[in-house]
Amino acid sequence: GNSVTQMEGPVTLSEEAFLTINCTYTATGYPSLFWYVQYPGEGLQLLLKATKADDKGSNKGFEATYRKETTSFHLEKGSVQVSDSAVYFCALSISGNQFYFGTGTSLTVIP
Amino acid sequence: GAGVSQSPRYKVTKRGQDVALRCDPISGHVSLYWYRQALGQGPEFLTYFNYEAQQDKSGLPNDRFSAERPEGSISTLTIQRTEQRDSAMYRCASSSVLGTEQYFGPGTRLTVT
Repeated sequence: GNSVTQMEGPVTLSEEAFLTINCTYTATGYPSLFWYVQYPGEGLQLLLKATKADDKGSNKGFEATYRKETTSFHLEKGSVQVSDSAVYFCALSISGNQFYFGTGTSLTVIP
Repeated sequence: GAGVSQSPRYKVTKRGQDVALRCDPISGHVSLYWYRQALGQGPEFLTYFNYEAQQDKSGLPNDRFSAERPEGSISTLTIQRTEQRDSAMYRCASSSVLGTEQYFGPGTRLTVT
């Protein structure tokens, strides 16, 4: 079946620290991979995506590389800010018919 | 332009009552998705539409749940004879072309007492 497993939180970091949130997937077929972010009190927003192996998605200083060999799509940012505090969801889609989301990882960045 | 809107934002209902949750997608968006999100979990797929056609309803938990999108725009998710286990955040998303970025609404928080 199709599923996403992501690192459990919560994660607490100091401002300017390096961030990694792990995400691995299981998929039948060739999925597209996504990271969504949910800021406090808001809906989910697409952060970045990658549609094929070795693609790197990037946005707002965040990056994730589609690794087919390790079935991973880890989210990274070199220097987090307080404004990055949010819940991050890894997701996959097969042919766009269904999206499968991970359980979410809560990130808190302290000044 | 306006994003995806959902109404009501909060709904408290008594067990056994029917509820209807509304989603108004971004104008012109072809695809519309419904998800349910329990506290501390990611969104769980329920069903989706292309235009007015319901393409996949395999995620609907049982026959008390139904959805429609009669004119290919606004959609309604209906839960009949609600039960406490139906309490969750119900999220709607739309996209312009199947498989591209989904834009999520703010959700409807349903509480069944």
